[in-house]
Amino acid sequence: SQTIHQWPATLVQPVGSPLSLECTVEGTSNPNLYWYRQAAGRGLQLLFYSVGIGQISSEVPQNLSASRPQDRQFILSSKKLLLSDSGFYLCAWKRGFGYTFGSGTRLTVV
Amino acid sequence: GQQLNQSPQSMFIQEGEDVSMNCTSSSIFNTWLWYKQDPGEGPVLLIALYKAGELTSNGRLTAQFGITRKDSFLNISASIPSDVGIYFCAGMNYGGSQGNLIFGKGTKLSVKP
Repeated sequence: SQTIHQWPATLVQPVGSPLSLECTVEGTSNPNLYWYRQAAGRGLQLLFYSVGIGQISSEVPQNLSASRPQDRQFILSSKKLLLSDSGFYLCAWKRGFGYTFGSGTRLTVV
Repeated sequence: GQQLNQSPQSMFIQEGEDVSMNCTSSSIFNTWLWYKQDPGEGPVLLIALYKAGELTSNGRLTAQFGITRKDSFLNISASIPSDVGIYFCAGMNYGGSQGNLIFGKGTKLSVKP
C-alpha cells in the first residue's frame, strides 16, 4: 500500500543546534515530494519540492535546506536553528491530482 | 504567482448550523481540492473536483467547481463538534512545475456544542 512516514512527531531543539527531519514514502516510485511549514493555526507555506533524486526547488529563501538522497526519501535540514524556525512541518507527496500529507513534526526551538 | 483567496478566515458556529466557505483566484485552475486539518495532524483530502461546474458531495459536505474555473465553495450541513479544524482549498494546473498545488490560507472552524 502507498503510505507516507514522517518523523519525529515532536522535537524541542536549542537555538543554534542542527536539524534533520525525515520523510519517506512507500508503495510508489519517483514521487513528487514537498516540505511545508505551518505557523500555529495558520496556512501552509511551501518550503521545498523535489521531482526526483538530487532535484530540489526552493520556494522561500531561509535558514533551511532540503535533500533527496534516495527516490522515496526527502530530508529537511538546518545547520543552525533560529527561534523563528519553530512551527509544524509537513511532508507531502503528489498522488494523482492531489497531495497526501504526513502526520507532521512539531518543532519548538528554545 | 497564482494565489487563492479563501474566506472566511475563521468561523464560530453553533452545532447543527450549516457552514459555507469559498475560494477565489485571479487565474483558472484545472482541479480544485478541499482538505481538512485536525489539530496536530496533517491535512486530509475531503473532496476533489475536476470539471468546471462539477458539484460533488461527501456525506454532509458539498463542494462545487465554479463555471469560470476561478472559484470553488465548500458547504457543511448540520455541523457537529468533530467538524472542528482548519479547512484548506487548493487549486492545481497540470504539467511541469505548474503541477504543484496552490493552497488557500485556510478557514478555521470552531463548533460550539
